[in-house]
Parts: sequence; C-alpha cells; structure tokens
Amino acid sequence: DVKVTQSSRYLVKRTGEKVFLECVQDMDHENMFWYRQDPGLGLRLIYFSYDVKMKEKGDIPEGYSVSREKKERFSLILESASTNQTSMYLCASNGETGSAGELFFGEGSRLTVL
Amino acid sequence: AQRVTQPEKLLSVFKGAPVELKCNYSYSGSPELFWYVQYSRQRLQLLLRHISRESIKGFTADLNKGETSFHLKKPFAQEEDSAMYYCAAGGKLIFGQGTELSVKP
Repeated sequence: DVKVTQSSRYLVKRTGEKVFLECVQDMDHENMFWYRQDPGLGLRLIYFSYDVKMKEKGDIPEGYSVSREKKERFSLILESASTNQTSMYLCASNGETGSAGELFFGEGSRLTVL
Repeated sequence: AQRVTQPEKLLSVFKGAPVELKCNYSYSGSPELFWYVQYSRQRLQLLLRHISRESIKGFTADLNKGETSFHLKKPFAQEEDSAMYYCAAGGKLIFGQGTELSVKP
C-alpha cells in the first residue's frame, strides 16, 4: 500500500512564527501536492511538484512556499504564520504522468495559529 | 474559470433510501473526473473515477457532458456510507466544496 506520512498531526503556533509541515511518501511517486481543507470550501491546491526541485503554484499559494529536495519528501513552509492560515493541511502523491490520477493522501496536519 | 460545484453541504437520508450527490463542473476540454470519500477519522481516498466505469461499494457516477455533471448515485444507502464526499476534476485536481452524507438508521 502507498503510504503518505505527514510528520505532525497537530500543531499550535503563534502569529509570525515560521512553520514547517513535512510530508514523505514511500512509493517513488513523481507528483506531490499540498492542499488545505476548510469546511464549506473543500480542498484548495496550494502548491504541487512534478519532480525534484520543481514546484508550481496552485490556486492559493500566497503566504506559502514549498521545498522538494528529495523525491520522497515535499515540505510546506509558512514563512510568517497568520491566523487565517489556521486549517487542515493535506499532502498527497501520485505516480501517473501527465495526470493527477488517483491521489494518495496523508492523514493531515491540523494547524492552529494563535 | 475552472470550477467544481457541489450544491449540497449536507445530505441526510434514511437507510435503504436512494442517494444522489450532485456535482457540476466548469472546465475547458474533457477533464478526468473523480469522487473521493473521507470516512470519520480516516484519510481521504479515491472512491471512483469516470474512466474506469466501475461500481464501488454500490456507488456509480454518470458523466453527462451536455450538462457538465458527474453525479454520484447509490440505489440503497447504508449507514456505513456516512462520510464526506468530494467531487474532483482535471489534471491537477480541482475539488468541490464537499457534501456530507448522513445515513440514518
């Protein structure tokens, strides 16, 4: 089974802090994604990556950056956390070229910014 | 703009009743279409995709290109179907807002 692991399930941070959310997948997938999940808004794509050191903006990249130094790891960075970034963050991966195909999701990281 | 719309936030039915979760999409070309499901305390997972034309857990989804819809249906709902359902479209997957299905005994 594909395993996507998000290292932090719950985080509480203060406004202005730098936040790192880590995601690791064990199936040698090329494609990795970061979404945020909010009630009534569904999932919104923040950033995605089709290869190592490669990234593309999704629909809501403002206030976020990403890093993909190794194929299996995709990190989401909040340079200066704000209260409106309180949310559930979902990492996903898939191995289909040219298509999102079936995404495999992590369990999520619930971030609260005070 | 590319968009996926699920008009119902909450759908509540009784066990054994038919279920239809609506999904409409606005997308250039012919996107791939998917339904994902999230059961309580579990991770989001694929339920079905339109190109496979499968029935999963009794659910089917019909693509209507004329109406740009991809509604999810099940003839007889079960309590274990209670979950959050998301419709998604396209290459980098645009998701709808989600519909919470509650099946009452």
